[in-house]
Amino acid sequence: QKEVEQNSGPLSVPEGAIASLNCTYSDRGSQSFFWYRQYSGKSPELIMSIYSNGDKEDGRFTAQLNKASQYVSLLIRDSQPSDSATYLCAVNDPGNQFYFGTGTSLTVIP
Amino acid sequence: DGGITQSPKYLFRKEGQNVTLSCEQNLNHDAMYWYRQDPGQGLRLIYYSQIVNDFQKGDIAEGYSVSREKKESFPLTVTSAQKNPTAFYLCASSRYRLEYYGYTFGSGTRLTVV
Repeated sequence: QKEVEQNSGPLSVPEGAIASLNCTYSDRGSQSFFWYRQYSGKSPELIMSIYSNGDKEDGRFTAQLNKASQYVSLLIRDSQPSDSATYLCAVNDPGNQFYFGTGTSLTVIP
Repeated sequence: DGGITQSPKYLFRKEGQNVTLSCEQNLNHDAMYWYRQDPGQGLRLIYYSQIVNDFQKGDIAEGYSVSREKKESFPLTVTSAQKNPTAFYLCASSRYRLEYYGYTFGSGTRLTVV
């Protein structure tokens, strides 16, 4: 069983702050890593993906990947109350499926 | 607009009853997936299908069945053998080269045993 670990939180940050979400994975053969946002009672929606070591930026979001440490993170800059949701880390089992972490609940306090 | 449609949004099942959850996509995606989500747990894979008339068991297939007779459709039957079916069920699809494109999810079906 491939493991994807996330701190379940809840994580609370004030509006305008940086939120940092972390994820570790067990399978060294994993090739791609996705972050999904899930609002309460809704289905997950894709935020961004990362494949190579280093940082990838998309607007207020930055994904960071370190394959040697088997670690991926998501930074949310200038956090807004609308960012309050559960964030799911998904790790690809090459060619077949994704494995998901349990998610980190984020609350942005106005 | 292209997307994935799951129905119904809410479903109630009596003890000993089989129920079928519908999943239809018009994205022309080859692969389709069924996941189950329970509170405090991640998404767990029930079944997936990469081509028509073929499907594979995921990590928690016991008590479930699927079919893939058309590319667009991948219905999930929750049988009476599934002892704890109350959960949020998510259908997803993906393009070829899943590792680059990820999943597109439907809006989900919330199943409750009454």
